[in-house]
Amino acid sequence: AQSVTQLGSHVSVSEGALVLLRCNYSSSVPPYLFWYVQYPNQGLQLLLKYTSAATLVKGINGFEAEFKKSETSFHLTKPSAHMSDAAEYFCAVSFSGGYNKLIFGAGTRLAVHP
Amino acid sequence: SAVISQKPSRDICQRGTSLTIQCQVDSQVTMMFWYRQQPGQSLTLIATANQGSEATYESGFVIDKFPISRPNLTFSTLTVSNMSPEDSSIYLCSVEDHLGQKGIYGYTFGSGTRLTVV
Repeated sequence: AQSVTQLGSHVSVSEGALVLLRCNYSSSVPPYLFWYVQYPNQGLQLLLKYTSAATLVKGINGFEAEFKKSETSFHLTKPSAHMSDAAEYFCAVSFSGGYNKLIFGAGTRLAVHP
Repeated sequence: SAVISQKPSRDICQRGTSLTIQCQVDSQVTMMFWYRQQPGQSLTLIATANQGSEATYESGFVIDKFPISRPNLTFSTLTVSNMSPEDSSIYLCSVEDHLGQKGIYGYTFGSGTRLTVV
């Protein structure tokens, strides 16, 4: 069965430090992988998506993620954290190009402190 | 990408009553999805709504509790029926979306409906 695991329900970093949010997936077929961000009291915003075109995906707000098939991972990174990055981050997977549902990870709450 | 208008943004309801949530999309879409996000939890798919046919419900969700309408390609409603405090959650609609590149799909979400049942 397909699934998504996010390691670490809470991550805390200092402003300016590297952000690393981990996501591993389980799938018997090539996946489509997504990272979404949810700011307090808001809906979901797409950060980036892996479509098999390139293993390193650049998203909005300086975030990027690298697809590693051998490790079944799609970790999200940002070189330098800003206070405004504090939010809940969700990794999600789907298994076709269309008309299919997203399976979400449990989410990782990122805190950024001065 | 698609723009989704979801209403109401929040509501406080009495137990035993029902609430209908509306989702309007600014473009025609084949599939619409309804998710539930319980407090402090991730998103769980309730059902997939295809225009012109009955919605497909995920395990643990039934039509009597969460009836869905999909009258056209830009609109859908989700009703939360006979509510109890356990139904207090954020409910979100979503559509499959083109991300501006041919053949590249994503999923756009509405801003959500924050429901509190008292």
